[in-house]
Amino acid sequence: GAVVSQHPSWVICKSGTSVKIECRSLDFQATTMFWYRQFPKQSLMLMATSNEGSKATYEQGVEKDKFLINHASLTLSTLTVTSAHPEDSSFYICSARGGTSDSYEQYFGPGTRLTVT
Amino acid sequence: GQNIDQPTEMTATEGAIVQINCTYQTSGFNGLFWYQQHAGEAPTFLSYNVLDGLEEKGRFSSFLSRSKGYSYLLLKELQMKDSASYLCAGMDSNYQLIWGAGTKLIIKP
Repeated sequence: GAVVSQHPSWVICKSGTSVKIECRSLDFQATTMFWYRQFPKQSLMLMATSNEGSKATYEQGVEKDKFLINHASLTLSTLTVTSAHPEDSSFYICSARGGTSDSYEQYFGPGTRLTVT
Repeated sequence: GQNIDQPTEMTATEGAIVQINCTYQTSGFNGLFWYQQHAGEAPTFLSYNVLDGLEEKGRFSSFLSRSKGYSYLLLKELQMKDSASYLCAGMDSNYQLIWGAGTKLIIKP
């Protein structure tokens, strides 16, 4: 159990366009979802935490107007990179945490590789 | 501040044993996680320790000492497929994961 999917797995877009990445928990209800980015040979960097039905909490230095996060249901969160630039090229990974109070494990999606040309 | 320290890179031989250490400082503590991440892939869960002691799960074991702010991941009977980065993450009082930079493990034949 505890499967998280991400779509698309990779995307190439032109500078100035917007890209939406979907994160779905397939077999459990995710009360909390996390969005990370990872540059080559670096560790995960938490971008934001979102709880279903409420606004996302962004980490310091992450522009909320550029990285729009929507957590509309207990199984779906989306990250939209608006007006993408080449420096936004990265590996974006979502994770989800289940609703049980004794379950703090984060289940990761397979990641989305974004290349902005 | 909050901080997770682990070695950047380690090398070991196929069939051998390797121990990856992690020290942590978090605001409050709700457990210590280990994840494995192969290049170009997302992390996968290996272990979670919240009480002191050793948790064994097949070839992998994880140890925690809360008084020392210390954990290690022990990998036995190393296989080539174990070549990956191993991420240590501490969970703080807000149940947020504080990530280490990861230890790249290189397995040689």
